Amino acid sequence: GQQVMQIPQYQHVQEGEDFTTYCNSSTTLSNIQWYKQRPGGHPVFLIQLVKSGEVKKQKRLTFQFGEAKKNSSLHITATQTTDVGTYFCADGKTSYDKVIFGPGTSLSVIP
Amino acid sequence: EAQVTQNPRYLITVTGKKLTVTCSQNMNHEYMSWYRQDPGLGLRQIYYSMNVEVTDKGDVPEGYKVSRKEKRNFPLILESPSPNQTSLYFCASSLLHSGKGVDYEQYFGPGTRLTVT
Repeated sequence: GQQVMQIPQYQHVQEGEDFTTYCNSSTTLSNIQWYKQRPGGHPVFLIQLVKSGEVKKQKRLTFQFGEAKKNSSLHITATQTTDVGTYFCADGKTSYDKVIFGPGTSLSVIP
Repeated sequence: EAQVTQNPRYLITVTGKKLTVTCSQNMNHEYMSWYRQDPGLGLRQIYYSMNVEVTDKGDVPEGYKVSRKEKRNFPLILESPSPNQTSLYFCASSLLHSGKGVDYEQYFGPGTRLTVT
């Protein structure tokens, strides 16, 4: 069946350093969604990418959707302690009505 | 306030004792879903529902049941819980997709931490 993979699984950065997480799907995606889960919290929607090659920015966060719509990335510039959490990508339910999440990348920021 | 509520938030139970985790949303969403979250495995979909009386299996449905008798409620039932169902459970809801490749964000409940001994 379809798989969504993410790397790295864990990332520890010094505050102020940049961070990138990568998401890869075994099949072509209709769209990709990104969620953030703070420690002890629940996942919260960040953004959706739909078009091939799409790039969207939210302040220090930059999201990209690959040209082949099989991969995506989230880049955080100059991390802050508020960025701590786990970042998930997900293949939305337009593909199969199911939702497939990647395993997530856990980000720690050292002050 | 738009929200998804789950109850209970924490539950410790014993093997074989039937339990129900309730989920309710006040956003009139058609789509509701249950996930379990385990370390290193991310969020795995258990069951989902696209509308009242319409439910379907996700990736890990074994040992679980659901029902959707009302649009706002989507309870998760464990008829005979086992220790391998110890996990963090999330309910989520959203509008259905637009049919044009565009999906809608899911709103998650606060989670239910279940321990089965």
